[in-house]
Amino acid sequence: NAGVMQNPRHLVRRRGQEARLRCSPMKGHSHVYWYRQLPEEGLKFMVYLQKENIIDESGMPKERFSAEFPKEGPSILRIQQVVRGDSAAYFCASSENTGELFFGEGSRLTVL
Amino acid sequence: AQSVTQPDIHITVSEGASLELRCNYSYGATPYLFWYVQSPGQGLQLLLKYFSGDTLVQGIKGFEAEFKRSQSSFNLRKPSVHWSDAAEYFCAVGRGNAGNMLTFGGGTRLMVKP
Repeated sequence: NAGVMQNPRHLVRRRGQEARLRCSPMKGHSHVYWYRQLPEEGLKFMVYLQKENIIDESGMPKERFSAEFPKEGPSILRIQQVVRGDSAAYFCASSENTGELFFGEGSRLTVL
Repeated sequence: AQSVTQPDIHITVSEGASLELRCNYSYGATPYLFWYVQSPGQGLQLLLKYFSGDTLVQGIKGFEAEFKRSQSSFNLRKPSVHWSDAAEYFCAVGRGNAGNMLTFGGGTRLMVKP
């Protein structure tokens, strides 16, 4: 049973470009969470999704950031018009119902 | 709003020595508490969790943690540290129906001397 899969593992973007980060949850998991980890800091909650629904987006910046978890396919975290401050590791986690969270290995975004 | 404080940013211990990592939380209700470990370049792995019941919880890799409500603490301990324990450790408090909405502390980086 494969774990939570994130891709790309590393992404480099120039300021103003768009970044798309993908997360495939563990098999059987219908709950997905996105967290951001800035350098030398802990993880900060961004958004919690179930299939086709955003449950809690209280940690999402109001502009440029969006997330989806369609009926088919992976969850996508999209960052439009990236800025240097968006450089971070973005972690996805999944759970079955509201049980234990399993984390992916993260996607590291570097904005030049 | 809930918050988690890990007062020690870095800790260095000798291999074989005992370890205690501190964690203090702020939460208005009975907390769900977690400890995760992160190796460099990796995701987070759950070490242990506290939901209710016995305040001393056992986890993987020989770790344990004790929930002390009066001190709002959930410190992580290990009697004898191994070199492979060098990593970053995160304490978290969970909200929601099953504590699945996590707020993390800033982390403690553990280094192990031979």
